Amino acid sequence: DAGVIQSPRHEVTEMGQEVTLRCKPISGHDYLFWYRQTMMRGLELLIYFNNNVPIDDSGMPEDRFSAKMPNASFSTLKIQPSEPRDSAVYFCASSTTWAEQFFGPGTRLTVL
Amino acid sequence: DQQVKQNSPSLSVQEGRISILNCDYTNSMFDYFLWYKKYPAEGPTFLISISSIKDKNEDGRFTVFLNKSAKHLSLHIVPSQPGDSAVYFCAASGGTGNQFYFGTGTSLTVIP
Repeated sequence: DAGVIQSPRHEVTEMGQEVTLRCKPISGHDYLFWYRQTMMRGLELLIYFNNNVPIDDSGMPEDRFSAKMPNASFSTLKIQPSEPRDSAVYFCASSTTWAEQFFGPGTRLTVL
Repeated sequence: DQQVKQNSPSLSVQEGRISILNCDYTNSMFDYFLWYKKYPAEGPTFLISISSIKDKNEDGRFTVFLNKSAKHLSLHIVPSQPGDSAVYFCAASGGTGNQFYFGTGTSLTVIP
């Protein structure tokens, strides 16, 4: 099994541009999570899906952030427009149980 | 406001000795706790978990202790090995479907 796949691994963009991060969960996993990691706040859960349905997006920082899961094997996290304070590492994770999540390698986003 | 706190950003231990990583939480509704390990440039990896109905869970060299009255949990690694050098995150949740909260991590260095 390839594990959770995230792309791109690194993204550098300019303020105001749209950014799309992609995630392919492990096959058969019902839950998908998007996290953001920063030095100041650590790991924060942004949103999670269960069977492709968004369940809790209370962690999404503001309306500039949106996430979709059109099918069981693909999810996107979009930031539009991006701002320098969005610079962070974004992780996608999937699981069959609620708690024991398998994380992808992350996408390091830098917004200039 | 951080609901899960890891007050020691770093810890150094001699190989073969015990490593003790600590974590405090503020929300008495949390009933499931986990530890994750993270190597540089990788996503976190699930290590061990404990439910609030227990006060100890052991898996090989790793033991997690939970003190509900003190809202405190700790991870013991014995004996510590150089390969254990990583950042350790504790996480807490109110159960399936509830938000996950992560601490900011403790960087463990095991000195050969």
